[in-house]
Amino acid sequence: AQKITQTQPGMFVQEKEAVTLDCTYDTSDPSYGLFWYKQPSSGEMIFLIYQGSYDQQNATEGRYSLNFQKARKSANLVISASQLGDSAMYFCAMREASGAGSYQLTFGKGTKLSVIP
Amino acid sequence: GAGVSQSPRYKVAKRGQDVALRCDPISGHVSLFWYQQALGQGPEFLTYFQNEAQLDKSGLPSDRFFAERPEGSVSTLKIQRTQQEDSAVYLCASSLAPRVNEQYFGPGTRLTVT
Repeated sequence: AQKITQTQPGMFVQEKEAVTLDCTYDTSDPSYGLFWYKQPSSGEMIFLIYQGSYDQQNATEGRYSLNFQKARKSANLVISASQLGDSAMYFCAMREASGAGSYQLTFGKGTKLSVIP
Repeated sequence: GAGVSQSPRYKVAKRGQDVALRCDPISGHVSLFWYQQALGQGPEFLTYFQNEAQLDKSGLPSDRFFAERPEGSVSTLKIQRTQQEDSAVYLCASSLAPRVNEQYFGPGTRLTVT
């Protein structure tokens, strides 16, 4: 079973509108972290936002917020006021605490976001 | 430049050749990760170093893949007898300490095996 599922291969959003990118995850570990990364065409992975499994409040970073629904095992990324520069691939990732101790990230397949002027 | 750097950025190898990919992590970062990203996919974990110790190599796809970080800073990923299925982008990431959340990624090395 996939640990991270991103069901939207591609999304379009009008400039200045908000968009939600979906992510569901699967783990039996009570302690885990959820991440979102942005990958522009240049290839570099850019960290956007982090949510810990025990965090009581949803994480926010500027225009990015994470809609964390623990019971549903979902961690959707919300981008408000989209900008042309937001056009990129977006990856959801998880780190489980009780793995081999390597703190590796497990990534989904990504969602390609295109912002329309 | 304070970020993670990787070299070369692009590498074309003929099938059967050996290649070496270099990663310079952010100075002082203890943890170093290698990931492989196939076209249209998310990155997949290959191996992890804490300083010079390779603590996890469970993601290495075959014994043709070898990684080292002898002095706890620069790391090299070596692929012997390259195959076409090795074509991918190889990403290096570092973090300040094992439990620090943010992993900083380099720009990657795009390997094409012909």
